[in-house]
Amino acid sequence: DAKTTQPTSMDCAEGRAANLPCNHSTISGNEYVYWYRQIHSQGPQYIIHGLKNNETNEMASLIITEDRKSSTLILPHATLRDTAVYYCIVRVDYNQGGKLIFGQGTELSVKP
Amino acid sequence: DSGVTQTPKHLITATGQRVTLRCSPRSGDLSVYWYQQSLDQGLQFLIHYYNGEERAKGNILERFSAQQFPDLHSELNLSSLELGDSALYFCASSVYGVSTIYFGEGSWLTVV
Repeated sequence: DAKTTQPTSMDCAEGRAANLPCNHSTISGNEYVYWYRQIHSQGPQYIIHGLKNNETNEMASLIITEDRKSSTLILPHATLRDTAVYYCIVRVDYNQGGKLIFGQGTELSVKP
Repeated sequence: DSGVTQTPKHLITATGQRVTLRCSPRSGDLSVYWYQQSLDQGLQFLIHYYNGEERAKGNILERFSAQQFPDLHSELNLSSLELGDSALYFCASSVYGVSTIYFGEGSWLTVV
């Protein structure tokens, strides 16, 4: 079962920052938080991941709370092409290969 | 382009038939994961192979089987197909452990 809770859907205006929240209150100390997105039935695309420190790459920023029970994915300047389903995943079972268990995700709609 | 190659991209077959989906992982990746995405179930983890050995099994039906070959490509075999097996099947790969998992573009299977 997925260990995360996300809002079902969100809207964002084009050019504004999109802040996607995720709750993972049962996360264990060595479990990473991963974010993927899926654009209209394409293969899920890796965005970013983190353990406890905030992370930033060319696509997004990941803010993880100090207690690690929640995180926020930030797309700094959303474009129409960022419209997608965004999945927050706590990656488990590293000794067994660290599979990803997807929840329902957040459907982000970026509007002009 | 994630570097994970899946064939065929689209496949239509009749109930009761058997099909084989093929996946070539990214160069250097030893782990292969298979996922099923249907409209009502979301992204479901099926099975994980590492360097030819099965490492984790998820919601994979007994009619389905997979293997990973010495050249690291993988095949997902689906037999006695039912209408409900119609779905997108994704393959993903990673080096191992906590390394990032990258997804292919999927194989669309339609059972009629």
